[in-house]
Amino acid sequence: NAGVTQTPKFQVLKTGQSMTLQCAQDMNHNSMYWYRQDPGMGLRLIYYSASEGTTDKGEVPNGYNVSRLNKREFSLRLESAAPSQTSVYFCASKKGTAPYEQYFGPGTRLTVT
Amino acid sequence: AQSVTQLGSHVSVSEGALVLLRCNYSSSVPPYLFWYVQYPNQGLQLLLKYTSAATLVKGINGFEAEFKKSETSFHLTKPSAHMSDAAEYFCAVSLNTNAGKSTFGDGTTLTVKP
Repeated sequence: NAGVTQTPKFQVLKTGQSMTLQCAQDMNHNSMYWYRQDPGMGLRLIYYSASEGTTDKGEVPNGYNVSRLNKREFSLRLESAAPSQTSVYFCASKKGTAPYEQYFGPGTRLTVT
Repeated sequence: AQSVTQLGSHVSVSEGALVLLRCNYSSSVPPYLFWYVQYPNQGLQLLLKYTSAATLVKGINGFEAEFKKSETSFHLTKPSAHMSDAAEYFCAVSLNTNAGKSTFGDGTTLTVKP
């Protein structure tokens, strides 16, 4: 089992460029999440998908969109990148909507210049 | 509503000393509580979890945490620190509502001195 995988590992964008961060899990989990991690601010939820076919906003959704492509894959899109979106992005999954533990990917380090 | 406060963004201990990382929570219903560890340039991994069974929870790598409802706390301890324990630690709270989403604390960076 690979667990949760994310691509790319690193990315540098110029202001205004767009990109999609990919996430996939092979644990047959129903729920998937996108977080951003900034120094001293813990993890902040951007969007989540409680089950295939549903997505909802989290704490900091502005400037992002998501797609739950199927049960395995959950992508995060930045339509017009801004320097404030420089961060480390983590995808996570868990079994269902009960308060189970989450399984995290290795992260994507994004720099917007 | 749910929230987590981790007291101390940085904790430094000597190798072999007691590790104590503090976490206080707030929730409107009985909480589920987690400690995650993050090593440099990696994702978070579960250290231990409290799910309303035993109040003293044992996790991996010799860590344990005690759920104290009266103090709304879930502090993480380890009797003797190892150099390999140096990492960032996150406390998280989740409820059996709101799709079971977790709220994370700001994290505590543990440094272990030789």
